[in-house]
Amino acid sequence: EADIYQTPRYLVIGTGKKITLECSQTMGHDKMYWYQQDPGMELHLIHYSYGVNSTEKGDLSSESTVSRIRTEHFPLTLESARPSHTSQYLCASSPGRGVIGTQYFGPGTRLLVL
Amino acid sequence: EDQVTQSPEALRLQEGESSSLNCSYTVSGLRGLFWYRQDPGKGPEFLFTLYSAGEEKEKERLKATLTKKESFLHITAPKPEDSATYLCAVQGFRSGSARQLTFGSGTQLTVLP
Repeated sequence: EADIYQTPRYLVIGTGKKITLECSQTMGHDKMYWYQQDPGMELHLIHYSYGVNSTEKGDLSSESTVSRIRTEHFPLTLESARPSHTSQYLCASSPGRGVIGTQYFGPGTRLLVL
Repeated sequence: EDQVTQSPEALRLQEGESSSLNCSYTVSGLRGLFWYRQDPGKGPEFLFTLYSAGEEKEKERLKATLTKKESFLHITAPKPEDSATYLCAVQGFRSGSARQLTFGSGTQLTVLP
């Protein structure tokens, strides 16, 4: 059973606001990921981290930023939210070094920007 | 570039009516193929990892198989609680894809009582 948490689960916010989506895992996994998923569409990787102080952008361009100061915490920040940011954001983590292996997902944050 | 195509996009079955979901993939050297189940409004839940052609894995009414070009998720005698979207993902050896999973868009399964 994976222990990965995301807050908030739902967020409705106005254009121009700064938001931070929280993601925490209690499994001690080194690798963490942020995906964006629109209804009926594929998951697209927007950020990932191999460990503390290590972050990289994924294939899908995103205006968000991430930080990894602690192993268990991988927050995602949008400095100025826009309606185009409306989507579901999924956080995941995976154990081990080298081969990625299985990723365990949190419940997601559904974001609506008005 | 790694690619994953899942078919059909949607499948409706009667309870007890067995069927298979398909995942066709293109990857430069397969590290692993993953199956996930996703319920509405939730994150994907891990089901299986397959590493090499010929490998099979089973869990309750689900069995996943792998060839060099595709994977099948066989559902035997499904129940309404098996209704969900089933996602397939691959990880390749290419330097970029070694860090990432490439997901298909999923098959939305509905099992009617």
